[in-house]
Amino acid sequence: DIVMTQSPDSLAVSLGERATINCKSSQSVLYSSDNKNYLAWYQLKPGQPPKLLIYWASTRESGVPDRFSGSGSGTDFTLTISSLQAEDVTVYYCQQYYSTPYTFGQGTKLEIK
Amino acid sequence: QMQLQESGPGLVKPSETLSLTCTVSGGSVSRYYWSWIRQPPGKGLEWIGYIYYSGTTNYAPSLKSRVTISVDKSKNQVSLKLRSVTAADTALYYCARDFGDLWGQGTLVAVSS
Repeated sequence: DIVMTQSPDSLAVSLGERATINCKSSQSVLYSSDNKNYLAWYQLKPGQPPKLLIYWASTRESGVPDRFSGSGSGTDFTLTISSLQAEDVTVYYCQQYYSTPYTFGQGTKLEIK
Repeated sequence: QMQLQESGPGLVKPSETLSLTCTVSGGSVSRYYWSWIRQPPGKGLEWIGYIYYSGTTNYAPSLKSRVTISVDKSKNQVSLKLRSVTAADTALYYCARDFGDLWGQGTLVAVSS
C-alpha cells in the first residue's frame, strides 16, 4: 500500500496569511504514460461530505476559490491557501488514486492563530 | 447534476452484515467507477473498495474477506455489504464517484448490541 503522510498534523495561521500543508507519498504517484500525478486534496467540514479541492495534484475543481492551489510531483505535494479565510478553518486530507487501495493522509487540522 | 444518496440501517449488531445502498440520481451508474469510503468517529478516511459499472471490483486488502460491492444498473444503485461486523466498523459511510470527485452525504452506521 502507498502510505500518505501529511505535515503538520495541525496548523495555526492568521486570517489573510498563507497556509501550507504538505503531503508525502511512500512511492511515486506520477504515472509515466500520461505524466499525471494521481493525487487529490479534500476539505472536510463537520456534517458535510468531503469536498474535492484539487485533483491531478494541481487542477482546481470547478467552483473552488482560486486561493486554493496544489503543487508538487512524484512523492512530494503541497496544498496552499494563499490568504486564509474564516471558512477555510477545518481539516484537509490528501489522497493518492495511483494504485489500490487508494489511501489518504492522516489529515491536517487548520486553525486560526 | 448528479447526486448520490446513501441509505441503510443506522444500527447493526455485532457479527451481522452491514448493508448500504447508494442511489445515483441525475446520471447513470453505467459510466463510472463507484467507491465506498468510511470515516470512523474521530479518525481519518478509509477507502473500502470500488466497482466499475461492468462489475469489476477492487477491495482494500484489510477488508477484502468481508466486503462485497455490487451495482444494479436497472435501479441506478450501488450496494455495499460488510459481513461479520464489529465495533471497529462503526463509521460514517460514504459512496463516491470514481476516486472521490463526487460524494454522497454519508450515513452513520453504529455496530452495537
